[in-house]
Amino acid sequence: EAGVTQFPSHSVIEKGQTVTLRCDPISGHDNLYWYRRVMGKEIKFLLHFVKESKQDESGMPNNRFLAERTGGTYSTLKVQPAELEDSGVYFCASSRLAGGLAGELFFGEGSRLTVL
Amino acid sequence: QKEVEQNSGPLSVPEGAIASLNCTYSDRVSQSFFWYRQYSGKSPELIMSIYSNGDKEDGRFTAQLNKASQYVSLLIRDSQPSDSATYLCAVYGSNYKLTFGKGTLLTVNP
Repeated sequence: EAGVTQFPSHSVIEKGQTVTLRCDPISGHDNLYWYRRVMGKEIKFLLHFVKESKQDESGMPNNRFLAERTGGTYSTLKVQPAELEDSGVYFCASSRLAGGLAGELFFGEGSRLTVL
Repeated sequence: QKEVEQNSGPLSVPEGAIASLNCTYSDRVSQSFFWYRQYSGKSPELIMSIYSNGDKEDGRFTAQLNKASQYVSLLIRDSQPSDSATYLCAVYGSNYKLTFGKGTLLTVNP
């Protein structure tokens, strides 16, 4: 069974440019999450999809971030325009489970974003 | 007070020793607790989950939960160099989100 895959693994862009990160969850996992780790900080929740619907996007930093999950399969996270503070590692995770078992997540290896 | 607190380490133990990793959390209503292991540059990997007070053992790993003290720990017996990684404590709380600590870097010396 393929794991969670993320692309690109590393992206270096200039401030003001646009970047789109992609996540392919494990097949059959309805729950898809985006997290971010900024250097020196803990991994922070960004948003949660159940199939194609946004269940919770309370962690999205601002309206420069747009996440989509068309058809309930893969997801994209677009940052437009990118700012210096957006640098970090963006993790995608998926799960079949919900509720209290929702912490049993399968993570991708992350997309490292560097904004210069 | 941070929601999930861990000593950042590094924690260094000799091979064969017991490594003890600790975590405290602030949300008293939290019901689910998890330990993830992350090797450098790799994805976090779930190694233990615990939902009720007491101990839960899985091979060389034991998770301990004390909800009254809002404390969860991970013990690694017979530590191996391959256990060297960052260990992340995560708590599923009343906000229906998984909240992570910063992680503890463990180094097992041969």
